[in-house]
Amino acid sequence: ETGVTQSPTHLIKTRGQQVTLRCSSQSGHNTVSWYQQALGQGPQFIFQYYREEENGRGNFPPRFSGLQFPNYSSELNVNALELDDSALYLCASSVIQGNTDTQYFGPGTRLTVL
Amino acid sequence: QKEVEQDPGPLSVPEGAIVSLNCTYSNSAFQYFMWYRQYSRKGPELLMYTYSSGNKEDGRFTAQVDKSSKYISLFIRDSQPSDSATYLCAMSDTGGFKTIFGAGTRLFVKA
Repeated sequence: ETGVTQSPTHLIKTRGQQVTLRCSSQSGHNTVSWYQQALGQGPQFIFQYYREEENGRGNFPPRFSGLQFPNYSSELNVNALELDDSALYLCASSVIQGNTDTQYFGPGTRLTVL
Repeated sequence: QKEVEQDPGPLSVPEGAIVSLNCTYSNSAFQYFMWYRQYSRKGPELLMYTYSSGNKEDGRFTAQVDKSSKYISLFIRDSQPSDSATYLCAMSDTGGFKTIFGAGTRLFVKA
């Protein structure tokens, strides 16, 4: 086990609703990244938070937003849900040392948008 | 063209076989290369982490990086049914930030 936990495990929402997904990082990890993994695809980078500030973003619209808290937990918020948002959402925590880090993934939250 | 190309398989091999998994990429700035294993309904688990070109061995696993050809490989020796999973290649130009993943190759090892 990586020590990274995510909640909830599964979630069903309808189009247009808003959702909040949660992640608890390993203790001491100052960086968290969020990924979207569609069925049969590899994870796609959404954004990364370092010391509670957004540190970079992938090709996702502003309705995807996040927060990182001092206790190593973080949130991914998605507004105005669309059918294509149905996917496995993964968080990965890490410690940046120099310019390298090793990411530890949580088990993911499976989001279904109807 | 995707930045990282990976054959999705599925790849089916008998127990004990040597498995070869491969990815190609287009971004010459990539310097960090990873292989992850993902079991069904689980998050990816890091198997190998390599910086720049060369080989790295860990038990039954060997990772190879050929930056001149923009080609990376993962070899699994003496494959076991427990190796049945999806294998994801991943790479980054800054060691973990904005990691780009391949689509994953599904591997089945038959007993």
